Amino acid sequence: DIQMTQSPSSLSASVGDRVTITCRASQGISNSLAWYQQKPGKAPKLLLYAASRLESGVPSRFSGSGSGTDYTLTISSLQPEDFATYYCQQYYSTPPITFGQGTRLEIK
Amino acid sequence: QLQLQESGPGLVKPSETLSLTCTVSGGSISSSSYYWGWIRQPPGKGLEWIGSIYYSGSTYYNPSLKSRVTISVDTSKNQFSLKLSSVTAADTAVYYCARHPNNMVRGVSFDYWGQGTLVTVSS
Repeated sequence: DIQMTQSPSSLSASVGDRVTITCRASQGISNSLAWYQQKPGKAPKLLLYAASRLESGVPSRFSGSGSGTDYTLTISSLQPEDFATYYCQQYYSTPPITFGQGTRLEIK
Repeated sequence: QLQLQESGPGLVKPSETLSLTCTVSGGSISSSSYYWGWIRQPPGKGLEWIGSIYYSGSTYYNPSLKSRVTISVDTSKNQFSLKLSSVTAADTAVYYCARHPNNMVRGVSFDYWGQGTLVTVSS
């Protein structure tokens, strides 16, 4: 199985900050990566797929990059509604589809 | 607008079988463009993919759960279902149903989700 490790596990930031979350795969996943946002009590929401492709309707302040084993999610200017938990997920080698452990983004 | 809705018992006894159904509305489960999956999330923890099914009945499962999981589809009702046998307290989780595309570009990215249903395993 491909293990996905996110860092940091949590971070505090302020509205307007630029934030980067990292996801590292235990082996190369060839950009087969999705990012999700989850708010308390809600289902995850797809933000990006194929590492850098923005899902329809997702604000352009969200972007993704990376290659091989290392990928990043960047929020260019944090908005109040962005405080949530973020998950990466690989689909390069399945089954199983695997998720990172999550990064909790909190208000500073 | 596509909607998915999970249904089933919220309490299951240890060693019994957990059964959930996901009803799809606003679109056809028989589309050749999508798979339909189950994902779970224990309270306060991360996400775990359980398995996925195609409208034809083709399935693939998480190897860690494969011996206990059965996912089936009923195209006449636009539903798919999850059965997880021999449950323990470790199976307590919010269970989500979700859709993912069947194409190389979008890969297995879950684009529509149900709201989730909490299933507690307890006597």
